Amino acid sequence: AQKITQTQPGMFVQEKEAVTLDCTYDTSDPSYGLFWYKQPSSGEMIFLIYQGSYDQQNATEGRYSLNFQKARKSANLVISASQLGDSAMYFCAMRRLMFSGGYNKLIFGAGTRLAVHP
Amino acid sequence: GAVVSQHPSWVICKSGTSVKIECRSLDFQATTMFWYRQFPKQSLMLMATSNEGSKATYEQGVEKDKFLINHASLTLSTLTVTSAHPEDSSFYICSARVKRAPADTQYFGPGTRLTVL
Repeated sequence: AQKITQTQPGMFVQEKEAVTLDCTYDTSDPSYGLFWYKQPSSGEMIFLIYQGSYDQQNATEGRYSLNFQKARKSANLVISASQLGDSAMYFCAMRRLMFSGGYNKLIFGAGTRLAVHP
Repeated sequence: GAVVSQHPSWVICKSGTSVKIECRSLDFQATTMFWYRQFPKQSLMLMATSNEGSKATYEQGVEKDKFLINHASLTLSTLTVTSAHPEDSSFYICSARVKRAPADTQYFGPGTRLTVL
């Protein structure tokens, strides 16, 4: 069975500093994708970044980067130069990848609430 | 990215009435859409997978007769909460599988907050 664990219920960071949000996962599948979503207070889930299990390099997307350590089964999100608008709930998610045309559901972690202070 | 819209963004209804929520993909065709439910301060719970032109696949424990899903076109899926009761009050959010995105990433709508009095 697949499982996502986010052990930090809440995090605080000073504006303009970097912050790391932890995510560990458990799966026996060789091929999977890891996703991070941001959910501000408005409720919308915003896709941030994706990392494939076979990707050799860590994914980056603007101020977001994913610290992927496959052996440790961790996929931490790093936000550089935090902004006030980064205050939100952040969810790590995983999905088994199927190349035969099927599509497996996303498994979400419990989320981490990030508060950026001025 | 890909844009997914939801309507209404919030709805208040009386107990016993039915409520329909629409989920639309605006700039792409979505053969597969998903409906989630989220309680306050909790993670998303998948309710069902909606496939265009076929019956929805419901997750275990979700009453298919209470949460009717219709995916009649490649850009529209609807969730109808039938005979709503206060315990159905929740945040409902849909997503769509975007085939042009890496690993067919799901993009989400803005959500619908349902309050049943």
